[in-house]
Amino acid sequence: GQNIDQPTEMTATEGAIVQINCTYQTSGFNGLFWYQQHAGEAPTFLSYNVLDGLEEKGRFSSFLSRSKGYSYLLLKELQMKDSASYLCAVRTGGGNKLTFGTGTQLKVEL
Amino acid sequence: GAVVSQHPSRVICKSGTSVKIECRSLDFQATTMFWYRQFPKQSLMLMATSNEGSKATYEQGVEKDKFLINHASLTLSTLTVTSAHPEDSSFYICSARDAVGGSPLHFGNGTRLTVT
Repeated sequence: GQNIDQPTEMTATEGAIVQINCTYQTSGFNGLFWYQQHAGEAPTFLSYNVLDGLEEKGRFSSFLSRSKGYSYLLLKELQMKDSASYLCAVRTGGGNKLTFGTGTQLKVEL
Repeated sequence: GAVVSQHPSRVICKSGTSVKIECRSLDFQATTMFWYRQFPKQSLMLMATSNEGSKATYEQGVEKDKFLINHASLTLSTLTVTSAHPEDSSFYICSARDAVGGSPLHFGNGTRLTVT
């Protein structure tokens, strides 16, 4: 089976930096995705890693270590609108099927 | 960019009735679409993979006779919840990927189903 773990909740201050971790145990790993989801809405794509290393995209960066089964999403210059659930998802095999972690609810405070 | 449209966004139905949810890829063709279900404060759980022109592939524990999937064209997949019960109340989300464009999976806006 597959197992994807994320912290349930995190709180951070506006303007600060926060790191959301994701660990996974899967077979046939073929990429890791991060999505943002606001309450009652569909997830929106943030980043994708398939090779080890850091991918940077504006205020958001994502890191992957395949040997450790570990990824993190880094959010810089936090804004209130960043309060949302952040979902780590792993793709396995050659298709597009994603398995999602439980999600991390991030709360940004003043 | 690739857009996935889902309809309706909200539906309330009585127990025992059936509800159809549509998922359309608006500017690309999708041979495969995915249907997810999300209960409050939980993550997305994959229900089934919808394959254009062939039978859907269901995840373990998902009743194929209860959740009917039809993928009759390259831009449309439908999920029908048959004989709905209150425990079927959930947030249903479809997703698809533009294989030609190489984009990541994009999600529809979801359908909030409430069965009374």
